[in-house]
Amino acid sequence: ETGVTQTPRHLVMGMTNKKSLKCEQHLGHNAMYWYKQSAKKPLELMFVYSLEERVENNSVPSRFSPECPNSSHLFLHLHTLQPEDSALYLCASSQGPLSTDTQYFGPGTRLTVL
Amino acid sequence: AQSVTQLGSHVSVSEGALVLLRCNYSSSVPPYLFWYVQYPNQGLQLLLKYTSAATLVKGINGFEAEFKKSETSFHLTKPSAHMSDAAEYFCAVSGESNFGNEKLTFGTGTRLTIIP
Repeated sequence: ETGVTQTPRHLVMGMTNKKSLKCEQHLGHNAMYWYKQSAKKPLELMFVYSLEERVENNSVPSRFSPECPNSSHLFLHLHTLQPEDSALYLCASSQGPLSTDTQYFGPGTRLTVL
Repeated sequence: AQSVTQLGSHVSVSEGALVLLRCNYSSSVPPYLFWYVQYPNQGLQLLLKYTSAATLVKGINGFEAEFKKSETSFHLTKPSAHMSDAAEYFCAVSGESNFGNEKLTFGTGTRLTIIP
């Protein structure tokens, strides 16, 4: 595997379910990100981890819980979601958390909340 | 706070014609600017970035963008469109988050359609 991979690619869940999104980067980077991409809206930065420490939590509801067990893996744990949480969730990584560091994106997980 | 405006959510050009995608930004400090492309069912891929060196930036796939401070613009161009350029394009500007970290602020995107 190369680059940034995300699993699953598609997920359908009910509002009472608990699920997790997984991201893995094979680039040796130190920073990882979760973004939310909704139709007709700009990408929304959700969380940033640098050297496995969360450095950004962009006013995200607590029903989204990130976890970064090491510099290569990032999870987004989901519980009690709402239909408006349906979106494409993108993971990205970069060498460092500076904005000049190029971010490499995974293909995303398309989430549908029923 | 920084922001990005992309004029035109949809742009159609004929194959072989000039591609021009517009991006205007606002930033309280000298910005770094980026263009990303997203092909169907894929994540975003960096096309090019401006980091205060040359104002004309060349990227991948024949794209280039020019930073114009007086116009607060960073428009993306390609002299001759190819069918494979059909995708969504995002402009982004660097800035500071509420936590004092650096972050990218993205525009809403422009969907480029190429007419055979």
